[in-house]
Amino acid sequence: SQQGEEDPQALSIQEGENATMNCSYKTSINNLQWYRQNSGRGLVHLILIRSNEREKHSGRLRVTLDTSKKSSSLLITASRAADTASYFCATDARETSGSRLTFGEGTQLTVNP
Amino acid sequence: DTEVTQTPKHLVMGMTNKKSLKCEQHMGHRAMYWYKQKAKKPPELMFVYSYEKLSINESVPSRFSPECPNSSLLNLHLHALQPEDSALYLCASSSLTRDRGEYGYTFGSGTRLTVV
Repeated sequence: SQQGEEDPQALSIQEGENATMNCSYKTSINNLQWYRQNSGRGLVHLILIRSNEREKHSGRLRVTLDTSKKSSSLLITASRAADTASYFCATDARETSGSRLTFGEGTQLTVNP
Repeated sequence: DTEVTQTPKHLVMGMTNKKSLKCEQHMGHRAMYWYKQKAKKPPELMFVYSYEKLSINESVPSRFSPECPNSSLLNLHLHALQPEDSALYLCASSSLTRDRGEYGYTFGSGTRLTVV
């Protein structure tokens, strides 16, 4: 079963604009991660935020986490056409049976040149 | 080496065939995973191996049989699959130590499987 929802499902913006994607989840987590996937390819890890962190930056990426609302957001600033891809949030919950990474439904981002 | 290598990249198999998907990593990660991804959907967890032992099986049908021969290799044996099993199969690995947190999981490029 999937962890939660992402919105929007699809986002189309112009190059240079900022893109914001939101993610909600349902269970307790150790950390939350964001991944990028180009069409039909493997996933690339973008950024990880721990459950005791509220905000994290990496280059043009900014991630926030609100554990009280069980939600996270990913902001991509100054977007480029090459940022066009699907973006997934994923929650990491370490259980006695092992580590489990569970993905949200994803946001398809299109950046128009 | 910071990659997860999956072979083959594409596979077409009949419903009576037996085939195997292979995954290899040399990052010293002690957790390895199989995910299944249908078109326009998120990846779904199938199996987790921790220290070469199967720790999570997400109620996957027995026609999928995982194997972890050593800490670098992960196989997925396929037998008597159905057309609805056609999907992208992704392998991933991660560290199981505390510093794992900064690096997330490393995914392979996947095997595109078509069952005819």
